[in-house]
Amino acid sequence: AQSVTQPDARVTVSEGASLQLRCKYSSSVTPYLFWYVQYPRQGLQLLLKYYSGDPVVQGVNGFEAEFSKSNSSFHLRKASVHWSDSAVYFCAVSPNSGTYQRFGTGTKLQVVP
Amino acid sequence: DTTVKQNPRYKLARVGKPVNLICSQTMNHDTMYWYQKKPNQAPKLLLFYYDKILNREADTFEKFQSSRPNNSFCSLYIGSAGLEYSAMYLCASSRPGGNERLFFGHGTKLSVL
Repeated sequence: AQSVTQPDARVTVSEGASLQLRCKYSSSVTPYLFWYVQYPRQGLQLLLKYYSGDPVVQGVNGFEAEFSKSNSSFHLRKASVHWSDSAVYFCAVSPNSGTYQRFGTGTKLQVVP
Repeated sequence: DTTVKQNPRYKLARVGKPVNLICSQTMNHDTMYWYQKKPNQAPKLLLFYYDKILNREADTFEKFQSSRPNNSFCSLYIGSAGLEYSAMYLCASSRPGGNERLFFGHGTKLSVL
């Protein structure tokens, strides 16, 4: 069954620094891949998604993610983080024939001055 | 209006008593989901409706029930709450298909005492 692993429970970065949040997926075929963000006291919101085409996908608020079939990864990146990016980020996977999404454990991002 | 609403935000229940959580969406989505989220764990899919068809995960089949009397409304029912049911319950909706983004509510935090 498809699954995702987010190896970093917490990440702390300085404001203005670059960011990479890691996500590894397990699937026998290329699945649909997603990144969601949960800001404090809010529901999860979609940042971006990927299925095919250009392996670098652009999302909202300057986020992008790169799909790598060889590494079974879908890492999230941002060139310069802002304090408002502090949140929990979830990677999710869906089989290309499925109707549900399975989530990773999330990475809590803290942006410090 | 892209809104998924969950009521209540917080729910206190006694061991052995029933619990009913409510979710509504205004986007006319065919699919509605319930996830259970415990601290430091991934959101776990409990069940989902596609239109009027209920799909339950095998390991939670007997623990949770649900109803969907109309397209906008979905409930999650626990017949006899146990301490292990204490968690955040997340409702989401989407258009049909595993590649569609999920729209989440704020969640209901259930505490079983």
